[in-house]
Amino acid sequence: QDHLVQSGAEVKKPGASVKVSCKASGYTFTSYSIHWVRQAPGQGLEWMGWINTGNGKTKYSQKFQDRVTITRDTSANTAYMELSSLRSEDTAVYYCARETGTLPYFDYWGQGTLVTVSS
Amino acid sequence: DIQMTQSPSSLSASVGDRVTITCRASQTISSYLNWYQQKPGKAPKLLIYAASSLLSGVPSRFSGSGSGTDFTLTISSLQPEDFATYYCQQSHSTPGTFGQGTKVEVK
Repeated sequence: QDHLVQSGAEVKKPGASVKVSCKASGYTFTSYSIHWVRQAPGQGLEWMGWINTGNGKTKYSQKFQDRVTITRDTSANTAYMELSSLRSEDTAVYYCARETGTLPYFDYWGQGTLVTVSS
Repeated sequence: DIQMTQSPSSLSASVGDRVTITCRASQTISSYLNWYQQKPGKAPKLLIYAASSLLSGVPSRFSGSGSGTDFTLTISSLQPEDFATYYCQQSHSTPGTFGQGTKVEVK
């Protein structure tokens, strides 16, 4: 059974950084890219960026370009999303999702990680 | 960035109703359009990919159509478990933008 399991909830102060992990199981990790999507409370889905888990190449939304870093550890079958210079508006649930398909789509999602930014 | 506009933002319907949600892209995206269902406190789930392909295991009452800029998600006979929020997403180009969502509520 293909699976993505994310790290637990975090509470951070403004200006701090947070690093969320996404551990894959049940499939060959390096065969599928991982994307990160966030959802602020009561809001819609917002794409942040993705990583080609095979070669490590990344692409980020311009909105987060200066603050987000997505990495992966192939030995641990895990992708990471680090967001820096946190502000209250970054309070959200952060999801990782696996991309598949020629016309790509997200077939598996992590359970989500709530990041709360509060002083 | 490609903008995705869904309508309506919300709708009220009864079990057994036929429900239609539309999604319009700000530029042509061929068939690079996916539909997801999200229930409160849960991650989104893929329903339809490539505009009209039903994911294995998804009930056949869900269907998708369209290409270019205009797309439709149809639920032929709404079931109690279908009350949720639905999002379209384009995967034609980065960023893979989502529509703002359509909340399907009990009438």
